[in-house]
Amino acid sequence: GEEVAQTPKHLVRGEGQKAKLYCAPIKGHSYVFWYQQVLKNEFKFLISFQNENVFDETGMPKERFSAKCLPNSPCSLEIQATKLEDSAVYFCASSQSTEYQPQHFGDGTRLSIL
Amino acid sequence: AQSVTQLGSHVSVSEGALVLLRCNYSSSVPPYLFWYVQYPNQGLQLLLKYTSAATLVKGINGFEAEFKKSETSFHLTKPSAHMSDAAEYFCAVSDRAAGNKLTFGGGTRVLVKP
Repeated sequence: GEEVAQTPKHLVRGEGQKAKLYCAPIKGHSYVFWYQQVLKNEFKFLISFQNENVFDETGMPKERFSAKCLPNSPCSLEIQATKLEDSAVYFCASSQSTEYQPQHFGDGTRLSIL
Repeated sequence: AQSVTQLGSHVSVSEGALVLLRCNYSSSVPPYLFWYVQYPNQGLQLLLKYTSAATLVKGINGFEAEFKKSETSFHLTKPSAHMSDAAEYFCAVSDRAAGNKLTFGGGTRVLVKP
């Protein structure tokens, strides 16, 4: 598609439950990035993929967060045993292969942990 | 490590007046710089990018930005504000040494007064 598609738009989970977010990148884009936006303005990088391979996972809290990008499937970000502090908007972005190509963002998934 | 500082978390301008949003960056390599706009409950939309070509970059919606290496700045301007410019604006630098993940500034919220 021509846009990065993220689902669901909103996700509500009780503390300790699992949350799974999905992202379909723009067709032809090789790179996928996940960011967490908290407090309406602070973006934190989580992880990036080059095709189905993890490219940079330095931002991932590995004990509870995991992510995948499998061929012919939307990418996913999964949070096990959610905590209140995981409440945020999670953005997915994709870009073409060359380094100066900008990242195109989806509309985000708002995750609320109760 | 890279960093981005946006001076002023809120800017209020009158319709028709100049919009000036300030961004200073820190980068150990020649940077790629971006300005994004975020409307409520939406993702980030690219306004413009600097990738080491012309230092004055023109973007969408009448915005432009000038890269000044000596000042490590990439300020965003628009000669005449429109009501539709009311949004949150983010400056970002691409980490070319680490998979092009973006480091964002804290954002500047623009309010346009009639």
